[in-house]
Amino acid sequence: DAKTTQPNSMESNEEEPVHLPCNHSTISGTDYIHWYRQLPSQGPEYVIHGLTSNVNNRMASLAIAEDRKSSTLILHRATLRDAAVYYCILRTYKYIFGTGTRLKVLA
Amino acid sequence: DTEVTQTPKHLVMGMTNKKSLKCEQHMGHRAMYWYKQKAKKPPELMFVYSYEKLSINESVPSRFSPECPNSSLLNLHLHALQPEDSALYLCASSRSPGGEKLFFGSGTQLSVL
Repeated sequence: DAKTTQPNSMESNEEEPVHLPCNHSTISGTDYIHWYRQLPSQGPEYVIHGLTSNVNNRMASLAIAEDRKSSTLILHRATLRDAAVYYCILRTYKYIFGTGTRLKVLA
Repeated sequence: DTEVTQTPKHLVMGMTNKKSLKCEQHMGHRAMYWYKQKAKKPPELMFVYSYEKLSINESVPSRFSPECPNSSLLNLHLHALQPEDSALYLCASSRSPGGEKLFFGSGTQLSVL
């Protein structure tokens, strides 16, 4: 199964942008890059996904490297509600979660 | 309705008990998933159902028995569990197998005594 590598934890100040990195050097051409986040006491929720091009939605932006071996989830203005574990996943015919990054947002 | 509903939210069972976890979605999704999550760890895939048929079993012990009675329902039958099986059990669904988005329920927190 294709693997992703993320930092264990990151901190950000409230109202500032956050860049969450993910390495996926074994990605294949058909693997989609997905991001989910898990708030305390909840199931994971979808954030964003992409294949080759950068993507934007109301929650975040996804920047994908040209060689697709890494990607970055961008939260444009972190709020206290964004404190969660963020998972970067390579979607094949199944979803395998990596270890995730625990994001702490400081007031 | 974009919800995946899991019941019960909490379950305590002894090692000799038989219990079932239930998951329901009414989004017309044709793929459903069971994940197991230990504290401070990522979710681990257990089973995938595709069009009501079991398509993936990630070498899960037979004391866990999944069932998909129809396209909206997914059950996980539990029998003779061990204390190390205590975890959060998450159900998810997607429009199709390997579909664009997974929708997760809030999970069942299971404690095995």
